[in-house]
Amino acid sequence: AQTVTQSQPEMSVQEAETVTLSCTYDTSENNYYLFWYKQPPSRQMILVIRQEAYKQQNATENRFSVNFQKAAKSFSLKISDSQLGDTAMYFCAFMATYSGAGSYQLTFGKGTKLSVIP
Amino acid sequence: DAGVIQSPRHEVTEMGQEVTLRCKPISGHNSLFWYRQTMMRGLELLIYFNNNVPIDDSGMPEDRFSAKMPNASFSTLKIQPSEPRDSAVYFCASSLAIERVYGYTFGSGTRLTVV
Repeated sequence: AQTVTQSQPEMSVQEAETVTLSCTYDTSENNYYLFWYKQPPSRQMILVIRQEAYKQQNATENRFSVNFQKAAKSFSLKISDSQLGDTAMYFCAFMATYSGAGSYQLTFGKGTKLSVIP
Repeated sequence: DAGVIQSPRHEVTEMGQEVTLRCKPISGHNSLFWYRQTMMRGLELLIYFNNNVPIDDSGMPEDRFSAKMPNASFSTLKIQPSEPRDSAVYFCASSLAIERVYGYTFGSGTRLTVV
């Protein structure tokens, strides 16, 4: 079974600064995808960024980028130029793509609560 | 598209009562997932459907929980009888099966409180 660990329950960052959220995962699979979801106070789960395990290049979406270290099974999220609207819970998630039970399911970490301070 | 629609948004019920949560996936999506979110356990997958057929219900906590998908545009999650420990936010998510690797689209969730 896959596990996802987010070791930082809470973090804070000054507006306009950069913050990095950590995520590690454990799997024996070789083909998988990794995701970061954002959950603002509205409760909506919003996909922020995804990474394909077979790609060495780190994914980037505007102010959001990841540092994917496959050998270390690490997948951190960097938020640049933090904005007040970035205040939310952030969840790291894993999806394996083997055939069989459990495949294509999203397994989530416990989340990191990020507060952006004006 | 209106996205994944869940109802009700909030539900308060008394212990022992039957509770039914509803979900309308995005039109055309053929994979549907039910998740439960609690402070202690985080987001847990309860069950998922492909083409209206339950594929994996190993996450359903016990026999008090049941889920159905009678057609491609509607699914229900029922708890009977409800207990205070069932209090949580329940999310429905959908995806086109061949696009699952791009992530799921989640509804806004139903916050269930059992008193």
